[in-house]
Amino acid sequence: QQQVKQSPQSLIVQKGGISIINCAYENTAFDYFPWYQQFPGKGPALLIAIRPDVSEKKEGRFTISFNKSAKQFSLHIMDSQPGDSATYFCAAINQAGTALIFGKGTTLSVSS
Amino acid sequence: EADIYQTPRYLVIGTGKKITLECSQTMGHDKMYWYQQDPGMELHLIHYSYGVNSTEKGDLSSESTVSRIRTEHFPLTLESARPSHTSQYLCASSPGRVPYEQYFGPGTRLTVT
Repeated sequence: QQQVKQSPQSLIVQKGGISIINCAYENTAFDYFPWYQQFPGKGPALLIAIRPDVSEKKEGRFTISFNKSAKQFSLHIMDSQPGDSATYFCAAINQAGTALIFGKGTTLSVSS
Repeated sequence: EADIYQTPRYLVIGTGKKITLECSQTMGHDKMYWYQQDPGMELHLIHYSYGVNSTEKGDLSSESTVSRIRTEHFPLTLESARPSHTSQYLCASSPGRVPYEQYFGPGTRLTVT
């Protein structure tokens, strides 16, 4: 069964702290692994994506770390801000290469 | 901000009614998708299209149907709405060969009473 397991389900971080969200993939394509950010009342938006031939990708305060042997990838948000409060979804491409399989999402709250 | 639009944003309708959820994109993307998302939950793919006259069912079984007569337009139809169809429906499009980069519309929140 193709799936992406995401944890934690919810996360509370103080302003300036580091937020870490983890995902593990099973039986998906070995291709790009994206993270999406969704604010209430909006559709998800692509935040950052990593190719599996690199171990880390950084864009501003957001970093994806990729562990091929463990079949895991994680999102790190440095210096978390209240504006980062949103639901984050990791995803993987299905084996047919036709669509994304999403994790169940992590609701992040950054307290000021 | 991506140019993908969904109407209506909110819809409350009675059981048995036929409804069509509209989705349009102005980016010229060939690939388009429909997802179903319950509040705070994961997205489930219900339909996708690779281009005009191409439609496929997704992983989540759905009683809805879709059509793709024009590149920019990908409407979803429910012939007879039921309370179990209550959910949020998200439309997305993708420009590339690999579908990791998707642009989502704001969604339609459907309530069937």
